[in-house]
Amino acid sequence: GENVEQHPSTLSVQEGDSAVIKCTYSDSASNYFPWYKQELGKRPQLIIDIRSNVGEKKDQRIAVTLNKTAKHFSLHITETQPEDSAVYFCAALAGSGYALNFGKGTSLLVTP
Amino acid sequence: DARVTQTPRHKVTEMGQEVTMRCQPILGHNTVFWYRQTMMQGLELLAYFRNRAPLDDSGMPKDRFSAEMPDATLATLKIQPSEPRDSAVYFCASATGYEQYFGPGTRLTVT
Repeated sequence: GENVEQHPSTLSVQEGDSAVIKCTYSDSASNYFPWYKQELGKRPQLIIDIRSNVGEKKDQRIAVTLNKTAKHFSLHITETQPEDSAVYFCAALAGSGYALNFGKGTSLLVTP
Repeated sequence: DARVTQTPRHKVTEMGQEVTMRCQPILGHNTVFWYRQTMMQGLELLAYFRNRAPLDDSGMPKDRFSAEMPDATLATLKIQPSEPRDSAVYFCASATGYEQYFGPGTRLTVT
């Protein structure tokens, strides 16, 4: 499938700081970009998504930005809390069909 | 709160045995995905169905894996014969539009 690159692979922040995770994609036809949070031993859960007709979307402490020209999108978590600790995956919808191409994940650790 | 369900949650089997995993999508969802998750490869799409028709199974090893949707409420993933390299967590997800909702996964260990 098309590549989705995700950085960093691990991220450690102090409680209250912000965390930023970045992804790039290669399929210029992609128009849907979700983010999933996966706690240890649990299922990936959709936390926010963005479509290509908007540049930014916010939901409380979480925001996602999209730059279609540069083919990159980012997840921003503000005022991080220990319960934000998890693996976060970005994904991009394949240009044709309904399949998602996932990044390799970012392990976020928020220390008190 | 509707959720995707999967059975079994854990499966330990010996190499060469057949393994069948089941998924019940959220009622009304018409697209069903099978993923495999490993530490090395991350989340890999194996196959997916829309309105019970297979749309893409290019991620699935054809010689030993098969996926079916006998009806709208059941999707199955079968491995025959299983091998140690198949050890992973297998997730099912369902969707009506683009948003995919994952099941709890089946943790498969092949010894």
